[in-house]
Amino acid sequence: EDKVVQSPLSLVVHEGDTVTLNCSYEVTNFRSLLWYKQEKKAPTFLFMLTSSGIEKKSGRLSSILDKKELFSILNITATQTGDSAVYLCAVGGSQGNLIFGKGTKLSVKP
Amino acid sequence: NAGVTQTPKFQVLKTGQSMTLQCAQDMNHEYMSWYRQDPGMGLRLIHYSVGAGITDQGEVPNGYNVSRSTTEDFPLRLLSAAPSQTSVYFCASGRTVNYGYTFGSGTRLTVV
Repeated sequence: EDKVVQSPLSLVVHEGDTVTLNCSYEVTNFRSLLWYKQEKKAPTFLFMLTSSGIEKKSGRLSSILDKKELFSILNITATQTGDSAVYLCAVGGSQGNLIFGKGTKLSVKP
Repeated sequence: NAGVTQTPKFQVLKTGQSMTLQCAQDMNHEYMSWYRQDPGMGLRLIHYSVGAGITDQGEVPNGYNVSRSTTEDFPLRLLSAAPSQTSVYFCASGRTVNYGYTFGSGTRLTVV
């Protein structure tokens, strides 16, 4: 059975801290790994990763994929209160489905 | 460009009632799907479609029905609502899994 596991499930940090969110997966016919940010509404797209070892960056956020060890990390540097959200990891297989992890709830305190 | 439009945003049903959640996209995406989100459970796939006339079951399909008669629309039908179907429902669409998916704003459904 395909599965995506995220850790930790929740995290509380202070502004300025750096955080690392983890995502491991077991998915038949892996196609891609995606990170989403969810505040109070719908998930919004952050990154899509398909190749090992190539870092994707967007401002203070970055992500990398390891297809040999079947995991990805999402780093957020110099966290701000606006980074508080649930971060979702999803893996796409050959059927076109996205299989989601349970998410990591990040709380950034001033 | 509206993206993915879901209606209604909120709904309260009585046990045993039926209803249809609407989802429409204007991006000409082939792939559409329905997820439900419950506290601590993440997003779980209910049904999906890889194109008009093609649908398939996801992880939690029981109690739900779908059809895809056009590329744009992918309605989700609750046949006989149960309290266990109280959840937030998201519709998503995309070109392929390698381009990510766009989500609608969600429907919060309560079954009493």
